[in-house]
Amino acid sequence: EAGVAQSPRYKIIEKRQSVAFWCNPISGHATLYWYQQILGQGPKLLIQFQNNGVVDDSQLPKDRFSAERLKGVDSTLKIQPAKLEDSAVYLCASSLGLGQGSEQYFGPGTRLTVT
Amino acid sequence: KQEVTQIPAALSVPEGENLVLNCSFTDSAIYNLQWFRQDPGKGLTSLLLIQSSQREQTSGRLNASLDKSSGRSTLYIAASQPGDSATYLCAVRRVLQAGTALIFGKGTTLSVSS
Repeated sequence: EAGVAQSPRYKIIEKRQSVAFWCNPISGHATLYWYQQILGQGPKLLIQFQNNGVVDDSQLPKDRFSAERLKGVDSTLKIQPAKLEDSAVYLCASSLGLGQGSEQYFGPGTRLTVT
Repeated sequence: KQEVTQIPAALSVPEGENLVLNCSFTDSAIYNLQWFRQDPGKGLTSLLLIQSSQREQTSGRLNASLDKSSGRSTLYIAASQPGDSATYLCAVRRVLQAGTALIFGKGTTLSVSS
């Protein structure tokens, strides 16, 4: 079974530029998560989708971050404009559903450096 | 607000030692607790998932326990090996009306020397 795929793996941009990340979850997984992991910290949820609807985006900086999951499969996360403090690893995860037993599976992440 | 704390932040042991990693959380209203491993520059690999009704889970040399009432979990690694060197993250799944995100600790970085 293929895992969660993410691209690109690495991205370096200058502040005020825009960037987009892509995630393809495990086939059949209805729930998709984007987490931000700053160096030395644990991952922090940015946004959660159930199929193509948003379940929780309370910690997403909506003035600069946006995400979508068209057709309930792939998802993109965009930052515009980027700030220095956005330098982090962006992790995508998926799970079968919202059931309490659903385990989350993580992709390899995209490491973003903002200079 | 749920907070997850992991102690110690870093640990160095010689090969063959048994060791315990600690995780504590402030709100006992959780669905489950998950232990992950993260290698440098890599994503997270799930090691063990303990449901709130369970007391422990075992996989090979790993054993995780959960005491929900006291807000604590431990990850026990038996006969450590250099290949166990990584950062270990503890995460709890909150009981929410909507959203099932994991709340993570900052992790324990383990180094096993040969």
